[in-house]
Amino acid sequence: EVQLVESGGGLVQPGGSLRLSCAASGLTLSDHYMDWVRQTPGKGLEWVGRTRDKANRDTTEYAASVKGRFTVSRDDSKNSLYLQMNSLKTEDTAVYYCVRGMRVTTVFYGMDVWGQGTTVTVSS
Amino acid sequence: QLTQSPSFLSASVGDRVTITCRASQGISSYLAWYQQKPGKAPKLLIYAASTLQSGVPSRFSGSGSGTDFTLTISSLQPEDFSTYYCQQVKSYPLAFGGGTKVEIK
Repeated sequence: EVQLVESGGGLVQPGGSLRLSCAASGLTLSDHYMDWVRQTPGKGLEWVGRTRDKANRDTTEYAASVKGRFTVSRDDSKNSLYLQMNSLKTEDTAVYYCVRGMRVTTVFYGMDVWGQGTTVTVSS
Repeated sequence: QLTQSPSFLSASVGDRVTITCRASQGISSYLAWYQQKPGKAPKLLIYAASTLQSGVPSRFSGSGSGTDFTLTISSLQPEDFSTYYCQQVKSYPLAFGGGTKVEIK
């Protein structure tokens, strides 16, 4: 069974840092585009960032709201994905999901595997 | 940018339900639809605007291309009362629509 399990969420003060982890089973992360998506309390979904697969040199993309503060990375030896979050703001408070980007041949079409999410609260 | 409408709808079991998603610029067929239940992660329903994800009931269908898209539930079932989101996957940022909450009338 394909499964993604996030961890690392918690309470952090504004300006602080946090690293989220996503452990994968049933799939090899380096073969896939992997994303982080967040959802603010009672509100909608926001795509945060992506790392492409090893074949595409692990290149990354970010939402404007987090660019320069957040970094998506992967450890292939642990089959894990990470989201390093620095200079956190209160508006970064959200549930963060680790997500697989689904491709048909080489075209990205959607997000087909989601973790259960981990909650990040930025507050003083 | 994606605009979903309505943001809320009340319907009965057996009703035909239609949700629309409008893109601010053309995205061809690079649109996905998701269903989310309270406290759960979203679930992919439809990709490429009209292709049903494996395991999704056939009462769900999607249509459209360019800027205007539609998600239709042909006969609403009790388990379909959820929030639905569209997402464009053509270019960055991979934006989601604001969501449509479907509640029981």
